[in-house]
Amino acid sequence: NAGVMQNPRHLVRRRGQEARLRCSPMKGHSHVYWYRQLPEEGLKFMVYLQKENIIDESGMPKERFSAEFPKEGPSILRIQQVVRGDSAAYFCASSPGTYNEQFFGPGTRLTVL
Amino acid sequence: AQTVTQSQPEMSVQEAETVTLSCTYDTSESDYYLFWYKQPPSRQMILVIRQEAYKQQNATENRFSVNFQKAAKSFSLKISDSQLGDAAMYFCAYRSTYSGGGADGLTFGKGTHLIIQP
Repeated sequence: NAGVMQNPRHLVRRRGQEARLRCSPMKGHSHVYWYRQLPEEGLKFMVYLQKENIIDESGMPKERFSAEFPKEGPSILRIQQVVRGDSAAYFCASSPGTYNEQFFGPGTRLTVL
Repeated sequence: AQTVTQSQPEMSVQEAETVTLSCTYDTSESDYYLFWYKQPPSRQMILVIRQEAYKQQNATENRFSVNFQKAAKSFSLKISDSQLGDAAMYFCAYRSTYSGGGADGLTFGKGTHLIIQP
């Protein structure tokens, strides 16, 4: 059973460009969570999605950030008009249910030049 | 909102010795979940151990065990017979049993960097 997949592993963008981060949950998992990790910090919750629904986006910045988890395909975290402060590692996790363990992907390291 | 505090930015232990990593948390909830995650240099987050707050028995996974003190809101991780492969950042995390308002995500501490001396 493959683990949580994230791609790309590394992404470099110039200020003002868009960044798209993809997450494929483990087989049988319909719950996806996105987290951001700044240098020397723990992970911070951003958004929780189930198929075709955003359940909790209270950790998402109000502007430029959006997330989706379509019926088919991976979950996407989209950052528009990136700024240097968006440079971080973005982790996706999945679980089979609301209160089960969250299994993490390897993360995407975003660098904004 | 819940907070998780790890007061030891870095710990060092000799190989084969035992080390304890501290974690305290603040919550007004009576039921919740606590976790320890390991993040090696590869940056992959790996679940080490999980504890349900309603269980009085401390969780154990091979060389890893916890000391869960609910009244003190303390959740320390003990690693016995430390091995070189245990070197990593260790994060304590809290998960509410509620939903919404950020409660669905894990709340992490800032981590403890564990160094294993050969």
